[in-house]
Amino acid sequence: EVRLVESGGRLVKPGGSLSLSCAASGFSFSSFSFNWVRQASGKGLEWLAAISSWGRILYADSLRGRFTITRDNAENSVFLVMNSLRAEDTAVYYCVRSEDNGGKSGDSWGQGTLVTVSS
Amino acid sequence: DIQMTQSPSTLSASIGDRVTITCRASQSVSGLLAWYQQKPGQAPKLLIYQASSLESGVPSRFSGSYSGTEFTLTISSLQPDDLATYYCQQYANFWTFGHGTKVEIK
Repeated sequence: EVRLVESGGRLVKPGGSLSLSCAASGFSFSSFSFNWVRQASGKGLEWLAAISSWGRILYADSLRGRFTITRDNAENSVFLVMNSLRAEDTAVYYCVRSEDNGGKSGDSWGQGTLVTVSS
Repeated sequence: DIQMTQSPSTLSASIGDRVTITCRASQSVSGLLAWYQQKPGQAPKLLIYQASSLESGVPSRFSGSYSGTEFTLTISSLQPDDLATYYCQQYANFWTFGHGTKVEIK
């Protein structure tokens, strides 16, 4: 069974940093791309970053360099380091699997981890 | 950036109705368009990829089609379990989601 389990979400103060993790299981991790997508309460979906199976990295322009995505194929994990957090970063953060080269997009999602940025 | 314009934002229909949701891309996405269903409190679920390919396990009442930059998700006969918000997403150039369509049962 394909599983993605996010962790690391918590309450953090404005200006702080946070690292999210996504542990994958049930498939050949190194063969897939991974994305982080967030959703503020009652709002739509916002794509943040992607890392391909060969390590190509893409970011949404809106992040302005505050977030960093990495992967560890030996640990079957994907990470998102978030710096200079703001209240508007408060959201549920999802880890999402996708196929490289325009195959299936977003065929597996984690359950999400809640990040709250507040003083 | 590619923008996705999704309509309607809310849709109210009766059980058994045929329901259509539309998404328009601001430029060509070469058919790289997905549709997701999100129920309250759950993560989104992939329904359709590459504009018209049905994801495994998804009921056949869901279908996708497109012409140029206009994409359509159709539910052929609305069921109570289809109460959800639906999102389109292009993945030709980064990812962009539509703003969502909330489907309500009359």
